[in-house]
Amino acid sequence: SQQGEEDPQALSIQEGENATMNCSYKTSINNLQWYRQNSGRGLVHLILIRSNEREKHSGRLRVTLDTSKKSSSLLITASRAADTASYFCATVLTQGGSEKLVFGKGTKLTVNP
Amino acid sequence: DAGITQSPRHKVTETGTPVTLRCHQTENHRYMYWYRQDPGHGLRLIHYSYGVKDTDKGEVSDGYSVSRSKTEDFLLTLESATSSQTSVYFCAISKGQGYDQPQHFGDGTRLSIL
Repeated sequence: SQQGEEDPQALSIQEGENATMNCSYKTSINNLQWYRQNSGRGLVHLILIRSNEREKHSGRLRVTLDTSKKSSSLLITASRAADTASYFCATVLTQGGSEKLVFGKGTKLTVNP
Repeated sequence: DAGITQSPRHKVTETGTPVTLRCHQTENHRYMYWYRQDPGHGLRLIHYSYGVKDTDKGEVSDGYSVSRSKTEDFLLTLESATSSQTSVYFCAISKGQGYDQPQHFGDGTRLSIL
């Protein structure tokens, strides 16, 4: 089962609108990371939010974390066509005494010009 | 962009042949990772390395081996490729584990096994 799962699976908006993506996870975490992947490219790290943080900003990106609900959201404000990409959350899963960074299946965002 | 180069970028081969994918980094990072990305499964860890000649298995390591003889190079080998190993393979690097450090990814190798 996935440690982190994004919602919705796909999102289509118009340029200038805000986009919100959510991530839910199952076990307690030390931090949660968001990544972006453009078509045909590798993942790019966007933001890391720690478990003792509730909100973090980076440019037009705003990430929130609610550890009581085991969920995080990524908000992209004033979206641009260049924001079209898949967005993934990633959390650490501890199994068999070792840690692994586990990625969700992603939200595919399309920003229409 | 982090200095990560994956080669080849595309490869088509036949079932049963050996395949080696290369990841080269210029960042001198200690940790390197191999993932595969498949529709419906997301990104899954195959193997990772925490130093020269130090490697460990990930979630989907069966059928794959790795080697790291130099800090900058991490090789992924499919000893006898199968059609189920058709995928896009990504290499990633990070300064440290503990996952307090972000991972930086290469642009992937698209591997098709016929």
